[in-house]
Amino acid sequence: SQQGEEDPQALSIQEGENATMNCSYKTSINNLQWYRQNSGRGLVHLILIRSNEREKHSGRLRVTLDTSKKSSSLLITASRAADTASYFCATAQGAQKLVFGQGTRLTINP
Amino acid sequence: GAVVSQHPSWVICKSGTSVKIECRSLDFQATTMFWYRQFPKQSLMLMATSNEGSKATYEQGVEKDKFLINHASLTLSTLTVTSAHPEDSSFYICSAPAQGGQGYQPQHFGDGTRLSIL
Repeated sequence: SQQGEEDPQALSIQEGENATMNCSYKTSINNLQWYRQNSGRGLVHLILIRSNEREKHSGRLRVTLDTSKKSSSLLITASRAADTASYFCATAQGAQKLVFGQGTRLTINP
Repeated sequence: GAVVSQHPSWVICKSGTSVKIECRSLDFQATTMFWYRQFPKQSLMLMATSNEGSKATYEQGVEKDKFLINHASLTLSTLTVTSAHPEDSSFYICSAPAQGGQGYQPQHFGDGTRLSIL
């Protein structure tokens, strides 16, 4: 399966700063989703952006999608220590399944 | 809200043992569930799609006889790792589409099962 590429692989910032993670993918998509995974736990769905949308907001999260570049970004504003986790993008290729990116490990330093 | 319950959360067993992992959708029906495998600091790799009342669909390279999937009801899918060996040690996670929807919709994930084979 084709997986997306995410960068950076790891990001460490100070509490209060903004965190930006990027995701690129290879095929046409139905939608793109972002998930969060705390260490040793399952994933939690954060936000979904459809292929005909360019930007979406949810609380401190802002997601953009550029289908011409096959890329998306997740911005977390005013980061908190509790935001420390791994973040994955996932693309819906057809109606069958999601394909996950490699993930970004985000560390928020108090 | 809707929740997926996965059990057990941690298994340690001897080589050659078969291990069963359960994935239950609570408060909603899931005709489709997904099983993933995750190695440390890596992404999720889809192993198979579990279909209620029919055979599972396995991803390329996943051994059907090694990883048995049963989806006997609208709320329960099981993954059995047969004759497990140390190389099967991993973190296994299940998911179900929200509100029993399609695979491309947001997923509810179980908390995963850490399998360690000695």
